[in-house]
Amino acid sequence: GDSVTQMEGPVTLSEEAFLTINCTYTATGYPSLFWYVQYPGEGLQLLLKATKADDKGSNKGFEATYRKETTSFHLEKGSVQVSDSAVYFCALGLGTGNQFYFGTGTSLTVIP
Amino acid sequence: NAGVTQTPKFRVLKTGQSMTLLCAQDMNHEYMYWYRQDPGMGLRLIHYSVGEGTTAKGEVPDGYNVSRLKKQNFLLGLESAAPSQTSVYFCASSYVSDSPLHFGNGTRLTVT
Repeated sequence: GDSVTQMEGPVTLSEEAFLTINCTYTATGYPSLFWYVQYPGEGLQLLLKATKADDKGSNKGFEATYRKETTSFHLEKGSVQVSDSAVYFCALGLGTGNQFYFGTGTSLTVIP
Repeated sequence: NAGVTQTPKFRVLKTGQSMTLLCAQDMNHEYMYWYRQDPGMGLRLIHYSVGEGTTAKGEVPDGYNVSRLKKQNFLLGLESAAPSQTSVYFCASSYVSDSPLHFGNGTRLTVT
């Protein structure tokens, strides 16, 4: 079935370190892929998205490339900040009303 | 901009009690969703709606009911609360079926 698997956390990094959070997916159709971020006490917010193979989504220094050959959508940032501390969710959408699938989330803590 | 608003923010129920969670969106979105978030399990879809007057079951619908009498509101009801329903509940909406989700800030429900 359709699903998303993402890297388990928690992840702890020092400020200015490089970040990668792995995400792979299984889908029967042609999904759109998303990264959402959840700050403490808040709902999820869209961080970036990609709608087709080889698309690169980017926002706030974060990037992810839709790789169909490896069924992956890894999140990267070159230099993390303390303010990036949050839980990150990878998700896929299959274009019908109920078909969004979320990973289990990866908690990131950035220390000064 | 209000976006997606959930009420209440917190609630404690005793086993067997009932309650209704309210979700309101002011973005004229057609699609609305109720998710629950539990540690290590990501987000799981409870029920969803593809338009006013319509509802459908998601992945974990048992013990919940929903109604979408007005386009902007999506209500989630628990008729007889159980401890297994202790969770954080998120409402979300989207313009069309594969557009990004907009989330509320959640309702933390504890059932004792």
